[in-house]
Amino acid sequence: DAGVIQSPRHEVTEMGQEVTLRCKPISGHDYLFWYRQTMMRGLELLIYFNNNVPIDDSGMPEDRFSAKMPNASFSTLKIQPSEPRDSAVYFCASSSSRGPRGGYTFGSGTRLTVV
Amino acid sequence: RKEVEQDPGPFNVPEGATVAFNCTYSNSASQSFFWYRQDCRKEPKLLMSVYSSGNEDGRFTAQLNRASQYISLLIRDSKLSDSATYLCVVNKESSGSARQLTFGSGTQLTVLP
Repeated sequence: DAGVIQSPRHEVTEMGQEVTLRCKPISGHDYLFWYRQTMMRGLELLIYFNNNVPIDDSGMPEDRFSAKMPNASFSTLKIQPSEPRDSAVYFCASSSSRGPRGGYTFGSGTRLTVV
Repeated sequence: RKEVEQDPGPFNVPEGATVAFNCTYSNSASQSFFWYRQDCRKEPKLLMSVYSSGNEDGRFTAQLNRASQYISLLIRDSKLSDSATYLCVVNKESSGSARQLTFGSGTQLTVLP
């Protein structure tokens, strides 16, 4: 298995632009998580899905952020409009309800810079 | 108060030293505990689970004290390759099959030659 695949690896955009981050979870995993990591706040859970259904989006900072999971093999996190304070590394992770608890597999992350 | 608190370090230790990291968690209902490792500019990876009776994996020993809501990680005979950030992680169990992990901010370790 190729693991969790995220794209793009790096994104530099101007303030006000729309940004879309993409994630392909491990095949067969029924949980998908979006995290954001900054030096100041560490790893923060933004939203997670179970069987493509959003379960908890209380970590989404504000209405500028939205996430979708149209099928079991694809999810997007969209920021519109982007702001400099959104600059961070965004990680996608997946896990299986049949696997060991705590066994998240993370993607390599998308490093977002908003200028 | 943060749900999971760790000493950020940095810990700078010589090769071969023994080093210990501590972590406290605030939710007494937490059920599962883990240590993850994150190398510089990489993604976090599961290092080991933490069991109530304590557990070892080679040079690594993890311990849990539920009464004090305290988790520890001990690394013996540290290697240069152990240099990384170590994340304390707690599973915030809730109803149903939710599997939501809360990560500490991490403790940075540098092993010096």
